[in-house]
Amino acid sequence: KQEVTQIPAALSVPEGENLVLNCSFTDSAIYNLQWFRQDPGKGLTSLLLIQSSQREQTSGRLNASLDKSSGRSTLYIAASQPGDSATYLCAPGRGSGTYKYIFGTGTRLKVLA
Amino acid sequence: DTEVTQTPKHLVMGMTNKKSLKCEQHMGHRAMYWYKQKAKKPPELMFVYSYEKLSINESVPSRFSPECPNSSLLNLHLHALQPEDSALYLCASSLGVSSNQPQHFGDGTRLSIL
Repeated sequence: KQEVTQIPAALSVPEGENLVLNCSFTDSAIYNLQWFRQDPGKGLTSLLLIQSSQREQTSGRLNASLDKSSGRSTLYIAASQPGDSATYLCAPGRGSGTYKYIFGTGTRLKVLA
Repeated sequence: DTEVTQTPKHLVMGMTNKKSLKCEQHMGHRAMYWYKQKAKKPPELMFVYSYEKLSINESVPSRFSPECPNSSLLNLHLHALQPEDSALYLCASSLGVSSNQPQHFGDGTRLSIL
């Protein structure tokens, strides 16, 4: 059974810092991995999707890496802003025919102005 | 504004009531999902529909009954729920169930069972 852990569970930083959020998963037989953000009381917004054949994916100030063999992914946020405050969730996807995404425990990020 | 619309945003119901949650998308996606999220926990998959057919049921109790009447619409019918079913119910869609395309989520329905 896939287990997904995210470290740290919570993080509070001053504006402008570069951040690294970690995601580890026990079953490395995945097809892709998504990173999401969730604002309080809202749904999830997909930030990046990395296919299993890729090692990195970038979007603006966000960069996600994937090391499938070691069961790890990291989300790098450059020059953090107060608007980045949210919960960040990783979700590796696998399945036969239908992908299932198992969500990590999340990292609650607060960026202070 | 999200491209996946869920109604209602909030729902309070008694344990003997019957109600339905609705989810709609017009992105041409053929896969639709229901997730349940308890407070401060990650979402847990409940059901997956692919081309309007049920593809995955994660051993969800029968008091939850999904329905996909067409490719744009997904319902979740609720009957005789328990207090522990109080949660945020999220709907999502993607291009296909086995595509390397991201999932799009609605803002959810916050359900409270009295």
